Amino acid sequence: DAGVTQSPTHLIKTRGQHVTLRCSPISGHKSVSWYQQVLGQGPQFIFQYYEKEERGRGNFPDRFSARQFPNYSSELNVNALLLGDSALYLCASSLAFADYEQYFGPGTRLTVT
Amino acid sequence: AQSVTQLDSQVPVFEEAPVELRCNYSSSVSVYLFWYVQYPNQGLQLLLKYLSGSTLVKGINGFEAEFNKSQTSFHLRKPSVHISDTAEYFCAVIHMNTGFQKLVFGTGTRLLVSP
Repeated sequence: DAGVTQSPTHLIKTRGQHVTLRCSPISGHKSVSWYQQVLGQGPQFIFQYYEKEERGRGNFPDRFSARQFPNYSSELNVNALLLGDSALYLCASSLAFADYEQYFGPGTRLTVT
Repeated sequence: AQSVTQLDSQVPVFEEAPVELRCNYSSSVSVYLFWYVQYPNQGLQLLLKYLSGSTLVKGINGFEAEFNKSQTSFHLRKPSVHISDTAEYFCAVIHMNTGFQKLVFGTGTRLLVSP
C-alpha cells in the first residue's frame, strides 16, 4: 500500500512569491496535518484538517493557509514568502480525527532565496 | 509553558552497546507520548507511543520506552544498537486538552552508531 505522498520533493522560490505544496494521505485516512521543520529543529504544527474542515491551527501567520479536498488530499499555501520560510514541510495523515497515530510523508524541501 | 526537552543533542555509541535517549516534558494536563525516528532525507516514522495502560511500551526495531509520570519523563532505550539505527530521534507529546492532533516535538537527538 502506498504511504503518504507529497509533491514536489524540492522547490526553490524567491522572496515575496507564493507556493503550493500537495499531500495525498494513505488510502482511507481522513485527517491530514501539516508541520514545518526548520533545519536542526523538531517539526512545528501548522494545521490539522478533518473532513475538509480546519480542526486545529498552530502559531503561524495568516500567510499560511490550507485546504482539504473531497478525496482527503490537501494543499498547503504560503503567500509572500520570507527567507525564514525555508524548511522541510511534512504532511501526516491518520484514520480519524481522534486517531493519535500519525503517518508522515517524506516532506517537501522549500528553499526561499 | 508546555514543552518537550531532549537534553542530548547527540549521542555517540558503539555497535551492540545499549543506549538511552532522554526525554522530559512539562504540561499542566495529561499527555500522550510518542517517539519518532527520522532517517536522512526522509519523513518521520513512529517508533512507539504511550496512550494509556502499562507504562513500559515496546515499539519497532527493538526499541522500548518507559513513562514515568512523577518525573515527567519518557526515555527511549535499546539494549543493543546496530549501525542502521543511526538517525535523528524525536520525542513528542499531544496535550489531552488541545482538542486536536497537535504533536509538540522536542529538538531531537542524533544517535551516531559506530563499528
